Amino acid sequence: SQTIHQWPATLVQPVGSPLSLECTVEGTSNPNLYWYRQAAGRGLQLLFYSVGIGQISSEVPQNLSASRPQDRQFILSSKKLLLSDSGFYLCAWSSGGRFAYNEQFFGPGTRLTVL
Amino acid sequence: TQLLEQSPQFLSIQEGENLTVYCNSSSVFSSLQWYRQEPGEGPVLLVTVVTGGEVKKLKRLTFQFGDARKDSSLHITAAQPGDTGLYLCAGLTSGTYKYIFGTGTRLKVLA
Repeated sequence: SQTIHQWPATLVQPVGSPLSLECTVEGTSNPNLYWYRQAAGRGLQLLFYSVGIGQISSEVPQNLSASRPQDRQFILSSKKLLLSDSGFYLCAWSSGGRFAYNEQFFGPGTRLTVL
Repeated sequence: TQLLEQSPQFLSIQEGENLTVYCNSSSVFSSLQWYRQEPGEGPVLLVTVVTGGEVKKLKRLTFQFGDARKDSSLHITAAQPGDTGLYLCAGLTSGTYKYIFGTGTRLKVLA
């Protein structure tokens, strides 16, 4: 069965510090990978998605970036955090391809607080 | 910009009552998914609907996809405290890998 891991679970960082959040998927190959951010009690905002190694699509211009160095690894980074970067960050995967029956599955999330 | 509007935004009901949550858009989606999320956790997939007019049942939950694949509804019969959570709909944009999420409905079921 497939599992998705995210770490760290919680993170408190000062403004201006760098960021690296990691997501890995097990039990599948060539997945589509996604990074979302969620404000408290609200819907999810798509930040980045990737359909293959080294392929990154950015949805929201900001000071965040994403990389996919391996098939099942997705990393979210920032060189200098802003207060507005605080939130709940979620990684998700879906089966490769554009089939309508593709389903998206989420990791446990990372709570980021920027002070 | 594609949007998915959910209504109501908040809902507080007594145990045993029925409720319906709506998810509406002006855009057509390849499929639509419903999730439930607990505080501090990732969303958990409840169902995926693909065909216009499709109805799926999951115990006391009934999901319907609109004929034009632009809207969906979630109906809960005889709500229980365990149904409490944030309900999210998400549409898969036609011809892409992108999912658009709804604004969310926070449900509280009182015992």
